[in-house]
Amino acid sequence: AQKITQTQPGMFVQEKEAVTLDCTYDTSDPSYGLFWYKQPSSGEMIFLIYQGSYDQQNATEGRYSLNFQKARKSANLVISASQLGDSAMYFCAMREFGGGFKTIFGAGTRLFVKA
Amino acid sequence: NAGVTQTPKFQVLKTGQSMTLQCAQDMNHEYMSWYRQDPGMGLRLIHYSVGAGITDQGEVPNGYNVSRSTTEDFPLRLLSAAPSQTSVYFCASRRSPSGDYGYTFGSGTRLTVV
Repeated sequence: AQKITQTQPGMFVQEKEAVTLDCTYDTSDPSYGLFWYKQPSSGEMIFLIYQGSYDQQNATEGRYSLNFQKARKSANLVISASQLGDSAMYFCAMREFGGGFKTIFGAGTRLFVKA
Repeated sequence: NAGVTQTPKFQVLKTGQSMTLQCAQDMNHEYMSWYRQDPGMGLRLIHYSVGAGITDQGEVPNGYNVSRSTTEDFPLRLLSAAPSQTSVYFCASRRSPSGDYGYTFGSGTRLTVV
């Protein structure tokens, strides 16, 4: 069964520093995708980055990169040069390619960026 | 483009009442889902649809019904509201079931059952 684990309920980072948000997953499907979403205090959900299970290189989108370690089943989000606007909840999610392409989410990590 | 539109934004129900949360998207997306968000639990999948006429259950389907008669609309029905259904509900869509597409989310419906 699909499972996503985010073990950091809250994280603090100083403005302009880099921060890593942890995500581990469990699946028996060899084909899957991993996603990160951001939820600011306003409540909307924003798609940030995607990594496919067969992708050879780690995904990057601007200041976001996904540190994908397949053998360890981890998909950590790295935010470089943190900004005050990065303060938000961050959710890791996984979609298996079998069983209806369902996407499940982790419990989330709340990131606080300090000035 | 409106994206994904959810109505209402806020709703208070009495225990035992029924209601329908509306979700509509104008992007011709095949895949649509309903999630509920509760503190400390992330988003949990209620029901999903891979296309018009096809729906299936997610992680927490009990107490909810869905239908998908058109590509655009994916309403969520609460059959007999219970306080445990107090939550924020998100509708989400994406272009196709597979591929590297992330979801586009609606703005959410905050439901309180008293």
